[in-house]
Amino acid sequence: SAVISQKPSRDICQRGTSLTIQCQVDSQVTMMFWYRQQPGQSLTLIATANQGSEATYESGFVIDKFPISRPNLTFSTLTVSNMSPEDSSIYLCSVADSSTGYTFGSGTRLTVV
Amino acid sequence: GQNIDQPTEMTATEGAIVQINCTYQTSGFNGLFWYQQHAGEAPTFLSYNVLDGLEEKGRFSSFLSRSKGYSYLLLKELQMKDSASYLCAGRYGGATNKLIFGTGTLLAVQP
Repeated sequence: SAVISQKPSRDICQRGTSLTIQCQVDSQVTMMFWYRQQPGQSLTLIATANQGSEATYESGFVIDKFPISRPNLTFSTLTVSNMSPEDSSIYLCSVADSSTGYTFGSGTRLTVV
Repeated sequence: GQNIDQPTEMTATEGAIVQINCTYQTSGFNGLFWYQQHAGEAPTFLSYNVLDGLEEKGRFSSFLSRSKGYSYLLLKELQMKDSASYLCAGRYGGATNKLIFGTGTLLAVQP
């Protein structure tokens, strides 16, 4: 299965600022996904990162708040913009690296103060 | 939404068997995954079902009924290290094949 390097692993940010999270995959993958996991809850899909086109966002998530880049088949970034304490969460990237397998990055634990 | 539901919490005894149920919306569905997640860690893959029936893998088994929109994860010979969250996830939608997660079940294994 694919190996994902996600960074930063954690950060503490001031409200109103932005943070960009990076995911690097060790192989080319068509689909990359970004999730949010709020404390004590399950994973919520933010968007699908498409190579060569705009990301596809799920209901409740918008590009202005969570801009995504996907410059090639091994890399993607998620930016959390104009942060507020409600954005404190774990953010995870994921790839579909086989017909049955989805692999996750180690996550970015974000605290907004 | 895809409305994937599972119990929030369960408790079981070491050495016993526990079944974690999951119901999901069938429209656009094309596969069911179970993941294990320990606190502070990323989810790890446990099982995948696309056809009806039981898939067995060691102490863990997973069952799927597509017509009923129902799955369960069966854990046998429970060990203390099995205390974790268990996430049911459905794969949906054509070209994107996105994975949608249920609410997660926090399992506590007691001595």
